[in-house]
Amino acid sequence: EAGVAQSPRYKIIEKRQSVAFWCNPISGHATLYWYQQILGQGPKLLIQFQNNGVVDDSQLPKDRFSAERLKGVDSTLKIQPAKLEDSAVYLCASSLAGSNTGELFFGEGSRLTVL
Amino acid sequence: QKEVEQNSGPLSVPEGAIASLNCTYSDRVSQSFFWYRQYSGKSPELIMSIYSNGDKEDGRFTAQLNKASQYVSLLIRDSQPSDSATYLCAVRNSNYQLIWGAGTKLIIKP
Repeated sequence: EAGVAQSPRYKIIEKRQSVAFWCNPISGHATLYWYQQILGQGPKLLIQFQNNGVVDDSQLPKDRFSAERLKGVDSTLKIQPAKLEDSAVYLCASSLAGSNTGELFFGEGSRLTVL
Repeated sequence: QKEVEQNSGPLSVPEGAIASLNCTYSDRVSQSFFWYRQYSGKSPELIMSIYSNGDKEDGRFTAQLNKASQYVSLLIRDSQPSDSATYLCAVRNSNYQLIWGAGTKLIIKP
């Protein structure tokens, strides 16, 4: 079974530039998450989708971050314009819809460095 | 007060000893508790889940939950160098949100 795919793995940009990350979840997983993980911290949820609907985006900085999952499968997270404090690993995860097991399957992450 | 708190460590344990990792949470109505392991430069992976008070064992790992005291712990018996990682505690709160601790870095010394 293929895991969660993410790209790019690494990205270096200058502040005020834009960047986009892509995620393809495990086939059949209706729930998709984007997390931001800053070095030394736990994952911080940015947005959670169930199919193509948003379940929770309360911690998404909407003035600069946007995310979509138009067809309920793959998803894109965009940052525009980037700030220095956006330097982090962006983790995409997926899980079965309605699962209470808490078992999230993570991709390898996209490491962003903002200079 | 953070919703899920863990000692950041590092916790250094000799090989073959028991490693004990602790986590406290603030939402008294939380029902589901999870331990994830994250190797350096890698993504988290689920190693244990626990839902009711008491102990749950899986191989060398034991999760312990005490809802009255609002803490959950992870014991690793016969610690191996390959257990060196950051261990993240995650709690599903009353709003069904999965709240993450900052993790405890565990170092197993050969």
